[in-house]
Amino acid sequence: NAGVTQTPKFRILKIGQSMTLQCTQDMNHNYMYWYRQDPGMGLKLIYYSVGAGITDKGEVPNGYNVSRSTTEDFPLRLELAAPSQTSVYFCASSFIGQGDEQYFGPGTRLTVT
Amino acid sequence: TQLLEQSPQFLSIQEGENLTVYCNSSSVFSSLQWYRQEPGEGPVLLVTVVTGGEVKKLKRLTFQFGDARKDSSLHITAAQTGDTGLYLCAGEVEYGNKLVFGAGTILRVKS
Repeated sequence: NAGVTQTPKFRILKIGQSMTLQCTQDMNHNYMYWYRQDPGMGLKLIYYSVGAGITDKGEVPNGYNVSRSTTEDFPLRLELAAPSQTSVYFCASSFIGQGDEQYFGPGTRLTVT
Repeated sequence: TQLLEQSPQFLSIQEGENLTVYCNSSSVFSSLQWYRQEPGEGPVLLVTVVTGGEVKKLKRLTFQFGDARKDSSLHITAAQTGDTGLYLCAGEVEYGNKLVFGAGTILRVKS
């Protein structure tokens, strides 16, 4: 099992550009999540999904969009990138249920200049 | 908005010393998880505590969940250089595994 994979690992965007961060998991997990991690701020939930076709906003959804057409894939779309979106983005997945472990990908480091 | 206050933010100690990291909130959580993160990688789960007053031990690491399920602590006995990393606590805010993360504690263990 590869677990949770994310691409790309690094990306530099100019202000106003758009891009999609890819996330795939091969553990047949129902739940998937997108977080951003800023220095000294912990991880903030952007969007999450409880299954294919179902998504919901987390704590910091503005400027982002997601879709979940399959169990395996959960791409995060940035429209009109802004410097405030410079961060490290982590995708995670979990099976279901109280206290289930979330499995994290290796992250995408995004810089918007 | 549920908040998790984690302290200290940074800890630098000598190998062999003991340390405690605290995670506090005014909110009640259905469970609390502790993760460890190394540079350039995603967090990895260390433990989940579910019951108020629960104590779990993982070798030299002892985790405690407060009786009211609002706070937690991580105690490391005889720290080793391999314990160096970022420690994150995360509270499950509602059933369905949505987590609120603390800001993290950077631990550096010197030889």
